[in-house]
Amino acid sequence: AQSVTQLDSQVPVFEEAPVELRCNYSSSVSVYLFWYVQYPNQGLQLLLKYLSGSTLVESINGFEAEFNKSQTSFHLRKPSVHISDTAEYFCAVSELQGGSEKLVFGKGTKLTVNP
Amino acid sequence: GAVVSQHPSWVICKSGTSVKIECRSLDFQATTMFWYRQFPKQSLMLMATSNEGSKATYEQGVEKDKFLINHASLTLSTLTVTSAHPEDSSFYICSASGPYNYGYTFGSGTRLTVV
Repeated sequence: AQSVTQLDSQVPVFEEAPVELRCNYSSSVSVYLFWYVQYPNQGLQLLLKYLSGSTLVESINGFEAEFNKSQTSFHLRKPSVHISDTAEYFCAVSELQGGSEKLVFGKGTKLTVNP
Repeated sequence: GAVVSQHPSWVICKSGTSVKIECRSLDFQATTMFWYRQFPKQSLMLMATSNEGSKATYEQGVEKDKFLINHASLTLSTLTVTSAHPEDSSFYICSASGPYNYGYTFGSGTRLTVV
């Protein structure tokens, strides 16, 4: 079974600083990778995903993530964060199990952007 | 864009009563829906996977008689917490597979408090 590791449970940064949220997954077979963002008391919103093709994927709000097969990583980065980026971020990998596909989530990283 | 509507957003119920949570895909058909439970400051735990017209598949350790899942149509899945107890208090989130391949759209979540 797949597992997803988000090493940092909390990441505090100052506004306009760069940030990297780390994510590693366990499987070496073909995978689909996702980053989701969750604001307090809300569901998850898809930030970006990697299915195939270019290993660098970008979101509309300045985040990007790079799929690195050799390191089994999918780290999320943003060159300059805003206060509004404060949220919980979850990395997830899709897993095919028992003929059905499902998402396996990491434990999440709480990003706090301070003024 | 794709929307999954989840209701209610919050509910308070007395111990021993049952609570039903609805999850609707508004502009696409979802053959597969997922139900998650999220404890405070923790990741999402998959409870069950439901496919339209068939019985749900529950994850290990999830009581199927306590958490009843019905997926009667391609746009509606329901989770009923039967004989709720305070330990069932949690944040429940549904997601639908789709509308695009390898995509998952999440509901906004339901905060259940059992008193």
